[in-house]
Amino acid sequence: GENVEQHPSTLSVQEGDSAVIKCTYSDSASNYFPWYKQELGKRPQLIIDIRSNVGEKKDQRIAVTLNKTAKHFSLHITETQPEDSAVYFCAASIRPDDKIIFGKGTRLHILP
Amino acid sequence: NAGVTQTPKFRILKIGQSMTLQCAQDMNHNYMYWYRQDPGMGLKLIYYSVGAGITDKGEVPNGYNVSRSTTEDFPLRLELAAPSQTSVYFCASSSGAVEKGYTFGSGTRLTVV
Repeated sequence: GENVEQHPSTLSVQEGDSAVIKCTYSDSASNYFPWYKQELGKRPQLIIDIRSNVGEKKDQRIAVTLNKTAKHFSLHITETQPEDSAVYFCAASIRPDDKIIFGKGTRLHILP
Repeated sequence: NAGVTQTPKFRILKIGQSMTLQCAQDMNHNYMYWYRQDPGMGLKLIYYSVGAGITDKGEVPNGYNVSRSTTEDFPLRLELAAPSQTSVYFCASSSGAVEKGYTFGSGTRLTVV
């Protein structure tokens, strides 16, 4: 089955700097890669996703890149703000309506 | 719309007891999922369902059972609770549309002592 590895487990960046979280997956059949954000004590929420026919996708300060050949994908957050502090999960799935396998998460701290 | 509703929010069980975690969604989603979240371990899929009457095992199904008799409800049953089942349990549902992603419930924090 699919296995998703995520690094780093913890990341601290100065407010205004960029943050990068990297993930790898094992199943070449995976075609859908969502990212979820979980604030402390709250439920995970989808922030951005990418499908395998696209190499990069942007949404304001957030971007995701995908290298299907190498089976890795990354989340980039620019101009970080205090409200970006949270746990971020990458995930992989064969299709958007299929089961999603999550990475272990990255706890992002934005330092003042 | 209430979205995905989970009950109870908190529960303490003794070893060997059984209980059912309830999950209901009012969005007419076909797809429903149960995950558990342990500290530093991400979200692990327990069971999932692609429609009423259809369920399948996820990554960590041992010690759990599910049923899906209606589109709205997807209860998770714990038989003979063990300390290893102490976790936060999230139910989620999906329409399958890319732009929507999963809608998660607020979670059930379960402690087995």
